[in-house]
Amino acid sequence: NAGVMQNPRHLVRRRGQEARLRCSPMKGHSHVYWYRQLPEEGLKFMVYLQKENIIDESGMPKERFSAEFPKEGPSILRIQQVVRGDSAAYFCASSPFGSYEQYFGPGTRLTVT
Amino acid sequence: AQSVTQLDSQVPVFEEAPVELRCNYSSSVSVYLFWYVQYPNQGLQLLLKYLSGSTLVKGINGFEAEFNKSQTSFHLRKPSVHISDTAEYFCAVSDRDSARQLTFGSGTQLTVLP
Repeated sequence: NAGVMQNPRHLVRRRGQEARLRCSPMKGHSHVYWYRQLPEEGLKFMVYLQKENIIDESGMPKERFSAEFPKEGPSILRIQQVVRGDSAAYFCASSPFGSYEQYFGPGTRLTVT
Repeated sequence: AQSVTQLDSQVPVFEEAPVELRCNYSSSVSVYLFWYVQYPNQGLQLLLKYLSGSTLVKGINGFEAEFNKSQTSFHLRKPSVHISDTAEYFCAVSDRDSARQLTFGSGTQLTVLP
């Protein structure tokens, strides 16, 4: 059973460009979470999604950030007009319905130049 | 809302010595508790969890943790560490009743010295 997949693993963007981060949950998992890890810090919750629904986006910045988890395909975290402060590791986690255990992907390390 | 405090940002310890990584939490509701390990440039791996029942929880790689409700603590212990245990360790909590999001501490870097 493959784990949580994230791609790309590393992403370099210039200021003002868009970044798209993809997350494929484990097979049978219907819940996806996105977290951001800034250098020398712990992970901070961003958004919690189920298929076609955003359940909790209380940790998402109000502007430039959006997330989706379509009926088919991976979950996407989209950052428009990136700035240097967006440089971080972005982790996706998934869990099956009814479980509190979250399984993490390897992360996407975004560098904004 | 919850918060998690990991008091020790760095813990150096010699190989085969015991180690304790401290975690305290604050919450107005009942919580679930977790410890994750992160190796360099990798994702997080679940070490152990406390959901209910016995307050002493055993996890992978010989780690264990004890939930102390009165002291709101969930310290991680291992009686004898190996070089391969060198990694960042994160304590996390989630609200039992509603939110599924994890609130993480700032992490403890465990360095095992030969």
